Amino acid sequence: DGGITQSPKYLFRKEGQNVTLSCEQNLNHDAMYWYRQDPGQGLRLIYYSQIVNDFQKGDIAEGYSVSREKKESFPLTVTSAQKNPTAFYLCASRGTGNVPQHFGDGTRLSIL
Amino acid sequence: GENVEQHPSTLSVQEGDSAVIKCTYSDSASNYFPWYKQELGKGPQLIIDIRSNVGEKKDQRIAVTLNKTAKHFSLHITETQPEDSAVYFCAASKTGANNLFFGTGTRLTVIP
Repeated sequence: DGGITQSPKYLFRKEGQNVTLSCEQNLNHDAMYWYRQDPGQGLRLIYYSQIVNDFQKGDIAEGYSVSREKKESFPLTVTSAQKNPTAFYLCASRGTGNVPQHFGDGTRLSIL
Repeated sequence: GENVEQHPSTLSVQEGDSAVIKCTYSDSASNYFPWYKQELGKGPQLIIDIRSNVGEKKDQRIAVTLNKTAKHFSLHITETQPEDSAVYFCAASKTGANNLFFGTGTRLTVIP
């Protein structure tokens, strides 16, 4: 099945720790995205990448970092500089042109 | 940039009744409007989309209407069922744009 796989489903972070969320897609999409969703809220864009080895900051990039070394992978690191990391993180990908984004099933990050 | 507003934020209907969710957008160049359904603990799933060259699109119990002049589009769900209960997001984008711009979501509850 083609789709987007996010792992882990649940993740816990200790004080001062960096954690990395995985996102893999087999849809052969060039563009990939990371969103943050707080309880009862909408989607806020963290980072996006239109092509391998290139990425752009979204609306709330502070405290996060990404890499795009492979077309199918777009990991997100939540650094210790992100003081309020508890949220639901969603990864998405999009094909060429004016087409919909496809989402993974998210990673829920909590603080220990 | 684009600004998408979505109303209402919560909506409760009796099973079998219709539900309508409305969105407005600010950028007259926007020409693609997808709708997503997000169930608890899952990522958003595309349910229907419309492009600016049509005014209405229907898929079984779901329909979307678009008024380009007024810059608003709506999701209509008829004969609602309990499994329609979820959060619904509208979005907008235009040709050549990198991103979709999302509304803030509507929590629909269908009461059996």
